[in-house]
Amino acid sequence: ETGVTQSPTHLIKTRGQQVTLRCSSQSGHNTVSWYQQALGQGPQFIFQYYREEENGRGNFPPRFSGLQFPNYSSELNVNALELDDSALYLCASSQHDSISYNEQFFGPGTRLTVL
Amino acid sequence: AQSVSQHNHHVILSEAASLELGCNYSYGGTVNLFWYVQYPGQHLQLLLKYFSGDPLVKGIKGFEAEFIKSKFSFNLRKPSVQWSDTAEYFCAVINTGGFKTIFGAGTRLFVKA
Repeated sequence: ETGVTQSPTHLIKTRGQQVTLRCSSQSGHNTVSWYQQALGQGPQFIFQYYREEENGRGNFPPRFSGLQFPNYSSELNVNALELDDSALYLCASSQHDSISYNEQFFGPGTRLTVL
Repeated sequence: AQSVSQHNHHVILSEAASLELGCNYSYGGTVNLFWYVQYPGQHLQLLLKYFSGDPLVKGIKGFEAEFIKSKFSFNLRKPSVQWSDTAEYFCAVINTGGFKTIFGAGTRLFVKA
């Protein structure tokens, strides 16, 4: 069973730039959620994708957008980067059609630094 | 709005001491509850979960948690901690059938050998 993978591991960008982060779900999982974890805080829900559609969204502006592909991998795109976007971005996968579909498996994260 | 409160941000214990980490949530409906652990340099891992049934749930590495619905609490316990339990612990809640998991701010546990 392959776990959740994310790329890249680290990324440095400047204000105003755009960034794309990638996630491969654990095999057999069809749902992906993205979280932002600022230093010293718990993960904050950005959005969730199921069957290539956004299934729900947290309190993040529209410049945070995502995609899910037919193989259930996913991308998180952030436009017009701001300094406060510096954080660890986590991807989590789950199986929507299972009895325990809220149980999520997390990837190692992408550390984004905005200068 | 839903929220999760973890009472202790930092806890320092000696090996063999007992551990209890508090977690309270605010939500009136049916919830699923989780404790995740993040060891130094590793990613978030599920420690234990509560979906329904017995409110006392057992997880990996000797951890357990008790769901007390009347108190909106889901405290994590371990009778005797080890140095290898040094990590950050996160409590999380999601309303059953929902999509948004809410995490607490985390508790950093340091166990002295």
